[in-house]
Amino acid sequence: AQRVTQPEKLLSVFKGAPVELKCNYSYSGSPELFWYVQYSRQRLQLLLRHISRESIKGFTADLNKGETSFHLKKPFAQEEDSAMYYCAPPNNAGNMLTFGGGTRLMVKP
Amino acid sequence: GAVVSQHPSWVICKSGTSVKIECRSLDFQATTMFWYRQFPKQSLMLMATSNEGSKATYEQGVEKDKFLINHASLTLSTLTVTSAHPEDSSFYICSASDLTTGDHTDTQYFGPGTRLTVL
Repeated sequence: AQRVTQPEKLLSVFKGAPVELKCNYSYSGSPELFWYVQYSRQRLQLLLRHISRESIKGFTADLNKGETSFHLKKPFAQEEDSAMYYCAPPNNAGNMLTFGGGTRLMVKP
Repeated sequence: GAVVSQHPSWVICKSGTSVKIECRSLDFQATTMFWYRQFPKQSLMLMATSNEGSKATYEQGVEKDKFLINHASLTLSTLTVTSAHPEDSSFYICSASDLTTGDHTDTQYFGPGTRLTVL
């Protein structure tokens, strides 16, 4: 069965510190992974997806097949990065999302 | 990008009443929409998959007679919470993907959510 794990429910860092939000998956076949972000009082939105290899708002995520991980990283956190972050792969049933538990990132001034 | 709307954005109702929440894809057609529920400080949980022209597929533990889903057209899915109780108070979010753009089909676009409070 497809499974995504975000081991940290809460991550608190100071502004300017590096950030790494962990995501591990168990997935058969070729994983296609996404990170979604939900800012306070806003809708959930796509942050980035691994196939595009983009850097959005300074965030990057690299798929590590050996470690079955898709950690989200940013070298210097900003206060506006405070939000809920969800790691999500699709499953074989189509484009349904199975979210990880989410990690709340708090960036302190 | 594709836009998904929800109506209403928030609703307060008395226990025992039914509440209908609409999810619309505004500029694309969606044969499949998804309904999620999010309790405070918890992750999104998929409730059901709404398929245009056919019955919805419910996740384990979700009562299909309580959460009625109707996907009557390619741009509209409705979720009706029947005989709502306080424990149904939650944030309900729908999503859909635009399969016509040539973009990756698994990119979901989310509605802004509907906050339901049952007194």
